Amino acid sequence: GENVEQHPSTLSVQEGDSAVIKCTYSDSASNYFPWYKQELGKGPQLIIDIRSNVGEKKDQRIAVTLNKTAKHFSLHITETQPEDSAVYFCAASSRDNYGQNFVFGPGTRLSVLP
Amino acid sequence: DAGVIQSPRHEVTEMGQEVTLRCKPISGHDYLFWYRQTMMRGLELLIYFNNNVPIDDSGMPEDRFSAKMPNASFSTLKIQPSEPRDSAVYFCASRWGLNTEAFFGQGTRLTVV
Repeated sequence: GENVEQHPSTLSVQEGDSAVIKCTYSDSASNYFPWYKQELGKGPQLIIDIRSNVGEKKDQRIAVTLNKTAKHFSLHITETQPEDSAVYFCAASSRDNYGQNFVFGPGTRLSVLP
Repeated sequence: DAGVIQSPRHEVTEMGQEVTLRCKPISGHDYLFWYRQTMMRGLELLIYFNNNVPIDDSGMPEDRFSAKMPNASFSTLKIQPSEPRDSAVYFCASRWGLNTEAFFGQGTRLTVV
């Protein structure tokens, strides 16, 4: 089955700096890669996703890149703000004959220092 | 739509008691997932359903855990008997189709004492 690794586990940046979180996956058949943000006391919420036919996707200050050959994808947050502080999870789709689920990475706790 | 609705938000129970967690997915979604979140193990998939049918329950820790989806708008996760190591936040999520966003509920924080 799919296995997703995520680094770093914690990340502290100064407000205004950029943050990069990296993930690797094991199943070459995975073709959908979402990123979720989880704030304290809440459920994870999608912030951006990318499909395997695209190498990069950007949404304002957030971008995701995908390298299918190397089986890794990354989240880039520019001009970080204190409200970006949260736990971020990457995920990869895992498909079998009957359905599709997501396998999540262990998470990265991002702290943006004012 | 109000999103994925879970109840209760918090549950404190004594070891050995039965616990039932409830989930109402977003209307029209055909996938439903139950996850457990702990500091040590992160987000673990317990079971997921497609069109109310359980597809993969390999993540269910043991026979004490069971999940049902009697119809498209309701699912339960039951733990009987509960143990202190079951203490965690349990999330329900739903999704429509493949390669689309999964929407998570607010979670149920379970504490077994």
